[in-house]
Amino acid sequence: DTGVSQDPRHKITKRGQNVTFRCDPISEHNRLYWYRQTLGQGPEFLTYFQNEAQLEKSRLLSDRFSAERPKGSFSTLEIQRTEQGDSAMYLCASSQGDTQYFGPGTRLTVL
Amino acid sequence: DQQVKQNSPSLSVQEGRISILNCDYTNSMFDYFLWYKKYPAEGPTFLISISSIKDKNEDGRFTVFLNKSAKHLSLHIVPSQPGDSAVYFCAAQKGSGGSNYKLTFGKGTLLTVNP
Repeated sequence: DTGVSQDPRHKITKRGQNVTFRCDPISEHNRLYWYRQTLGQGPEFLTYFQNEAQLEKSRLLSDRFSAERPKGSFSTLEIQRTEQGDSAMYLCASSQGDTQYFGPGTRLTVL
Repeated sequence: DQQVKQNSPSLSVQEGRISILNCDYTNSMFDYFLWYKKYPAEGPTFLISISSIKDKNEDGRFTVFLNKSAKHLSLHIVPSQPGDSAVYFCAAQKGSGGSNYKLTFGKGTLLTVNP
């Protein structure tokens, strides 16, 4: 059991640039989630996949954000035209049953 | 409107004593609750969970209590160890038994266990 992995762990970018993050879930897990955590807050739900289908998107996910999970395996989260307010920790989680298991996160800093 | 509240931003206890972390929720549709521990620069690590059909769940040094009428849950750690020092998040979801999806988190409580 290798756990949930995320890449990169850290990303520094300039405002206006596009960034893409990758998440590899635990292999037998069919559900995959993205969350965002800012300083002093708990993680906030962004979006959810069951296999390759994106079943829910939070209103936090503006149209600059897009997530995919081709073939129901790994997932990518892309942010276009980044803004300073996008600076946060982006967390991926996966589950098969009731418990979600989180990856180490990608820390995004937008300058 | 925060649906899951952890009103104590921090808690300090002595090694060997009990740590009690509290969590309140407002949404009566929540029926599955989880506690996660988080170290700096790492993702949350699952600790223990409880379904709304139970009022207690125990796993080693960790026990979670659920009071549905009060919409309150607590995490007890006995005995507390210095390695338990971390931020603890309470989370809730609607649906269990495979129909779950998003978690709603509290803001966390920083636990410091002093040697």
